[in-house]
Amino acid sequence: NAGVTQTPKFQVLKTGQSMTLQCAQDMNHNSMYWYRQDPGMGLRLIYYSASEGTTDKGEVPDGYNVSRLKKQNFLLGLESAAPSQTSVYFCASSYSIDNEQFFGPGTRLTVL
Amino acid sequence: SQQGEEDPQALSIQEGENATMNCSYKTSINNLQWYRQNSGRGLVHLILIRSNEREKHSGRLRVTLDTSKKSSSLLITASRAADTASYFCATASYGQNFVFGPGTRLSVLP
Repeated sequence: NAGVTQTPKFQVLKTGQSMTLQCAQDMNHNSMYWYRQDPGMGLRLIYYSASEGTTDKGEVPDGYNVSRLKKQNFLLGLESAAPSQTSVYFCASSYSIDNEQFFGPGTRLTVL
Repeated sequence: SQQGEEDPQALSIQEGENATMNCSYKTSINNLQWYRQNSGRGLVHLILIRSNEREKHSGRLRVTLDTSKKSSSLLITASRAADTASYFCATASYGQNFVFGPGTRLSVLP
């Protein structure tokens, strides 16, 4: 069991570039989440997916898009990267919305 | 907002001492969870306490929940250097997502 995996681990982008962060879970969880964590701060929810094929906005969705075409995968897209999106991005999954969440190791993104 | 707010922001103790962290929130919740984050890593779930529970134990961890005061506490007994981490509370209301607080940074000195 790999749990929650994220790729890539590190990424450097130039302002205006686009990219997709990938997240996969092998626990057959229904719900998946994308968070960002800025230095010295807690997690802020970007988008979540309560179940396969559904997605909803979280606290800070602007500048991002997501897709959940398969139950085990949740993709986070940055349409046109900005320096304000420099952060550590964490993916998580849970059996349902209010259950224990399992986190991936994170992706460190720097936008120059 | 139902955001949990941990207190204190930072805590330094000696190995062997007990560490207590508090979490306050604003609205009714379904459950409250505590997570640990070691530097540069993802969060790890520690314990979940439901709104109808008052206290739960897991190893050296003890969590209390007072819904009348909208607060929870996490007690780590006989702390070890390996307990050095940031600790977050997360609150969930029915049908809504978790909201994480800013965390308490715990340093356990050898």
